[in-house]
Amino acid sequence: DTEVTQTPKHLVMGMTNKKSLKCEQHMGHRAMYWYKQKAKKPPELMFVYSYEKLSINESVPSRFSPECPNSSLLNLHLHALQPEDSALYLCASSQDWDTANQPQHFGDGTRLSIL
Amino acid sequence: QKEVEQNSGPLSVPEGAIASLNCTYSDRGSQSFFWYRQYSGKSPELIMFIYSNGDKEDGRFTAQLNKASQYVSLLIRDSQPSDSATYLCAVCSRDDKIIFGKGTRLHILP
Repeated sequence: DTEVTQTPKHLVMGMTNKKSLKCEQHMGHRAMYWYKQKAKKPPELMFVYSYEKLSINESVPSRFSPECPNSSLLNLHLHALQPEDSALYLCASSQDWDTANQPQHFGDGTRLSIL
Repeated sequence: QKEVEQNSGPLSVPEGAIASLNCTYSDRGSQSFFWYRQYSGKSPELIMFIYSNGDKEDGRFTAQLNKASQYVSLLIRDSQPSDSATYLCAVCSRDDKIIFGKGTRLHILP
């Protein structure tokens, strides 16, 4: 069991669907992250949310949109995804956005398949 | 372009021997360094982090950092079959971006 909880664990959706991935951490961390990981590749950073500020990797398409209802939740809303978006989506958290001194802790991931 | 380089492997090590994993990075201003273990189909699991030059030991794991040469390594003593996994090196750069290497596949031979 990890201290970062992601739901659902698996998601299959069509290209016209709208769905959300959820991530919750109970460690009192102030920074949360979304990563996308394709098979046999390292995780790629998509978003960072810390102190009510969102940082976006500019290469992430607008069909992905993060939402932070509170400091322990970071959701990822999905809309009109493409088959190439099929991947493992990982959520992580760290004590602070000053990542120079704070390692990240990962959830188990959501495996997303786009039909 | 900031880069983190790892030999993709597979690195095969006999059970009980020392496994040595290496990682080099391009951003000389990088401040912190992490080693993650990832089993196939699972999320990365943090096993070591190091900020200062020298060695840091935790059980069978030792992280070594040499900022002048821009490399960080992970040693696994008394390797076990359960250590077989992909090991990801991650570097936090000056601008607080985490960059992952592509990982080294480690195979411990029983």
